[in-house]
Amino acid sequence: GDSVTQMEGPVTLSEEAFLTINCTYTATGYPSLFWYVQYPGEGLQLLLKATKADDKGSNKGFEATYRKETTSFHLEKGSVQVSDSAVYFCALSAGGTSYGKLTFGQGTILTVHP
Amino acid sequence: GAGVSQSPSNKVTEKGKDVELRCDPISGHTALYWYRQRLGQGLEFLIYFQGNSAPDKSGLPSDRFSAERTGESVSTLTIQRTQQEDSAVYLCASSLTASLNTEAFFGQGTRLTVV
Repeated sequence: GDSVTQMEGPVTLSEEAFLTINCTYTATGYPSLFWYVQYPGEGLQLLLKATKADDKGSNKGFEATYRKETTSFHLEKGSVQVSDSAVYFCALSAGGTSYGKLTFGQGTILTVHP
Repeated sequence: GAGVSQSPSNKVTEKGKDVELRCDPISGHTALYWYRQRLGQGLEFLIYFQGNSAPDKSGLPSDRFSAERTGESVSTLTIQRTQQEDSAVYLCASSLTASLNTEAFFGQGTRLTVV
């Protein structure tokens, strides 16, 4: 079945540090890939997405590139801020009978200190 | 509505009791999903609605779990004879259509604690 494996956390960084959160996936066909973020006290919200190989999703300084050859979608940001502290989830949508159904990784807690 | 609304936000129930969790999706969204998040784990898919029909119920963990959707709007997830392992955050999401690329909008969830 479809699955997503995320880098285990928690991750603690100082402000302005470089961030990478690794994500790899297993899926049949050609999935769409997503990063969702959950800020403290808020619901999950879409951070970025990519729908085909070599696509780069970007938003709020975060980027992730859909790598079909390595089945990866790693999240990166060049300079994190305290306000980036949140839980980050990698997810895929592989279609089939449930278009839009998401398969999630286990989430990575990011804490950024001033 | 402005966003996906779930109620109650918190529910504590005794083992063996039945509970109902409610989801109000964004108006006009035809697709609705329920997920469960146990402590320290990722989100698990439970059920998907397209309109009022549920083409995929494959994630419901047992026959104690059921869900319905009416008026292509509100959905209710019912858990009968609750067990301690049912303790989790139950999340509802809706999207305009059920397609590979459409953004899903999530509610803030219902935290269920079975004591």
